[in-house]
Amino acid sequence: QSALTQPASVSGSPGQSITISCTGTSSDVGGYNYVSWYQQHPGKAPKLIIYGVTGRPSGVSNRFSASKSGNTASLTISGLQAEDEADYYCSSYTSLSTSVVFGGGTKLTVL
Amino acid sequence: EVQLVESGGDLVQPGGSLRLSCAGSGLSVSGNYMNWVRQAPGKGLEWVSVIYSGGTTYYADSVKGRFIISRDYSKDTLYLQMNSLRAEDTAVYYCATPNPTWTDSRGYNVAYYHAVDVWGQGTTVTVSS
Repeated sequence: QSALTQPASVSGSPGQSITISCTGTSSDVGGYNYVSWYQQHPGKAPKLIIYGVTGRPSGVSNRFSASKSGNTASLTISGLQAEDEADYYCSSYTSLSTSVVFGGGTKLTVL
Repeated sequence: EVQLVESGGDLVQPGGSLRLSCAGSGLSVSGNYMNWVRQAPGKGLEWVSVIYSGGTTYYADSVKGRFIISRDYSKDTLYLQMNSLRAEDTAVYYCATPNPTWTDSRGYNVAYYHAVDVWGQGTTVTVSS
């Protein structure tokens, strides 16, 4: 099971917007609307922030939005805040193993 | 509030075995779609195994044939039996599941989307001689 491809790091200043990409294949990201995004602060468990490509769980800020085009999903965080500094992981259902595969993770630095 | 609590992590020698447990509060481990996810030190998340409510199980290639996911209905506890442990199995192990009390506007739980929104605090497994 190959991991989905994410940039290792992104950065932005408070108030700006950033986008994190997540590239897979037609067997995972491109083939199903089952892409999720997780936020993880150091030493903490991951937190679900996006499900089903664009869905946002209750309690998650509307500054987080997501989309998908072909084999690439994207997470956008607008109005960056210091508390957004964390690691972000995408995940997708994969038909290759009838399971879930994660991306390698992206470290977001708020300058 | 729904919660998951893992236990059983320890220091074990290569080739050894260990059993992790995951107990739920406010939700039934026995009836839910339950996952194990691990994170090696300084590394990303890696999905390890899943057991569906009907009992079907799947494993990552990296643990297939060595790990077994199961649950005890009488104790409402999830387990991960880990055998033939290797140094590369060193990680924090999380159990994770969808919150059974939440559905989206379409009436679907996040399980439908193969997502999880309830995570334990993790238990640490170190494989070293």
